[in-house]
Amino acid sequence: EAGVAQSPRYKIIEKRQSVAFWCNPISGHATLYWYQQILGQGPKLLIQFQNNGVVDDSQLPKDRFSAERLKGVDSTLKIQPAKLEDSAVYLCASRGTGSQPQHFGDGTRLSIL
Amino acid sequence: QKEVEQDPGPLSVPEGAIVSLNCTYSNSAFQYFMWYRQYSRKGPELLMYTYSSGNKEDGRFTAQVDKSSKYISLFIRDSQPSDSATYLCAMKVDSSYKLIFGSGTRLLVRP
Repeated sequence: EAGVAQSPRYKIIEKRQSVAFWCNPISGHATLYWYQQILGQGPKLLIQFQNNGVVDDSQLPKDRFSAERLKGVDSTLKIQPAKLEDSAVYLCASRGTGSQPQHFGDGTRLSIL
Repeated sequence: QKEVEQDPGPLSVPEGAIVSLNCTYSNSAFQYFMWYRQYSRKGPELLMYTYSSGNKEDGRFTAQVDKSSKYISLFIRDSQPSDSATYLCAMKVDSSYKLIFGSGTRLLVRP
């Protein structure tokens, strides 16, 4: 079974620029999550999708972050404009039905100059 | 106060030692408890997944949950250098609720 795929693996941009990350979940997984992991901290949930609908985006900074999941499969997370404090690893995870656990991708490491 | 507290370490042990990793939490509604292992520049990988209180064993790993003390532990027996990683505890209220993570403990197993 293929895992959660994310791209790019690394991204370096200057503050105020925009950036986008892509995630392809495990086939058949209806639930998709985006997390932000700042160095030395645990992952923090940004947004949760169930199929292509948003379940929880309470911790998403909506003035600069946006996310979409077209057709209930792939998802993109965008930051515009980026701030220095957005430097982090952005992790995507997906989950099957019932009480199945989340499976994570290897993340996109974002550095803001 | 954070919902989940975890000592960041680093914890350095010799190969073959028994390792004890711990988390405390404040939300008594948490019912599902997980331990993830995260290697450098990799995503978290699920190690153990338990529901409610008690012990669960899987090979060299044992997860323990004490809901009365709001305390969970992960024990690693016969630790190996390949166990060197950051260990994250995570928990949630029910099967569909969001995960709340600890900040992770860095473990180094010396050959």
